[in-house]
Amino acid sequence: NAGVTQTPKFQVLKTGQSMTLQCAQDMNHNSMYWYRQDPGMGLRLIYYSASEGTTDKGEVPNGYNVSRLNKREFSLRLESAAPSQTSVYFCASSEVSPADINQPQHFGDGTRLSIL
Amino acid sequence: LAKTTQPISMDSYEGQEVNITCSHNNIATNDYITWYQQFPSQGPRFIIQGYKTKVTNEVASLFIPADRKSSTLSLPRVSLSDTAVYYCLVGGNTGRRALTFGSGTRLQVQP
Repeated sequence: NAGVTQTPKFQVLKTGQSMTLQCAQDMNHNSMYWYRQDPGMGLRLIYYSASEGTTDKGEVPNGYNVSRLNKREFSLRLESAAPSQTSVYFCASSEVSPADINQPQHFGDGTRLSIL
Repeated sequence: LAKTTQPISMDSYEGQEVNITCSHNNIATNDYITWYQQFPSQGPRFIIQGYKTKVTNEVASLFIPADRKSSTLSLPRVSLSDTAVYYCLVGGNTGRRALTFGSGTRLQVQP
């Protein structure tokens, strides 16, 4: 059981280049998330998708776009990469509880992105 | 979103019990408290979740007082492999009101 799979694991970009980070989950979860984690810091939410067909901004959405391609896949795009976007990017997924209980999030192992 | 405050770091020795306390003074009525563990170069991993009183699973215990303004994660008899960052999160349904990760508590377990 793969859980949450992120590709690529590592990437180096030049300033101004674009890139799409891919994420797929095989747990049939409704909700998916993108976070970034800077060195020594906690995770900050970029975007999330409560269900297929919906996306919402998180804490730090500027410079990013997302696409919930289907229930399994949620991609993150950097249109014009900047050095400030150098970070580790984590994708996560969770089920949605009708009782409004926050369900555990399952994380991928991250994409390490460096922008020169 | 309810803000959480945790110690930045803690040190322990193998075999000891470790208690990490998290403050969340602005917790809302329908908020749950969730703890995650993160090892280097990995994504966070769910440890335990609770609403009030005490919750125990095979990994940890979570103690929540009646006022719910704080919570304590208890790790019994830690080992070197428990060295990690531990995050306390407070929030409702993750689909509609996403959680916020703070900086976490870095636990270092020594032999």
